[in-house]
Amino acid sequence: QQQVKQSPQSLIVQKGGIPIINCAYENTAFDYFPWYQQFPGKGPALLIAIRPDVSEKKEGRFTISFNKSAKQFSLHIMDSQPGDSATYFCAASRGASGTYKYIFGTGTRLKVLA
Amino acid sequence: DVKVTQSSRYLVKRTGEKVFLECVQDMDHENMFWYRQDPGLGLRLIYFSYDVKMKEKGDIPEGYSVSREKKERFSLILESASTNQTSMYLCASRVSGNTIYFGEGSWLTVV
Repeated sequence: QQQVKQSPQSLIVQKGGIPIINCAYENTAFDYFPWYQQFPGKGPALLIAIRPDVSEKKEGRFTISFNKSAKQFSLHIMDSQPGDSATYFCAASRGASGTYKYIFGTGTRLKVLA
Repeated sequence: DVKVTQSSRYLVKRTGEKVFLECVQDMDHENMFWYRQDPGLGLRLIYFSYDVKMKEKGDIPEGYSVSREKKERFSLILESASTNQTSMYLCASRVSGNTIYFGEGSWLTVV
């Protein structure tokens, strides 16, 4: 019940394409869903996050879509660029527990071709 | 700017050695975390701390311990390193609300 399942494992798109990365969770007590971007040799950096009271959040070219009834959320990257090539992790946490533990997906390696 | 600093970026240790990984944050954060990252497994929580001298086990605590004597410093200890602990170790710190920030990571190779 604590898992976050992420797919696909890897993704290759052409420049300008719209890669979509999907995550599914089981625990309905989760109340915060962030996405992290990680470049080789670096730590993950927060990209965008959403709470379950909204169905979509957009920041620049990055959009999270959230489906509470299906317990799924996804990251869309509009007009993708070669500089977006990185590994992306979804996560879920339950702030109400007071511990702020994150459960991470297994990651998606994205490559955007020039 | 939030700063989470992992002082050792690359380490090579021998099997059986005691290993210390240090993490320092400069923003008076209460919650700090140690994760391990392995290909295909994502980030897995080893231990976390929500205050000085307070710690809780995460999902994979076996073979590890932690120390938090001061609020700004959270150390991960491998009492007797083994080859299956070769991995990238990430420290994180909670700023406010739910957001956590990561350090740059420590690559540990145990030979």
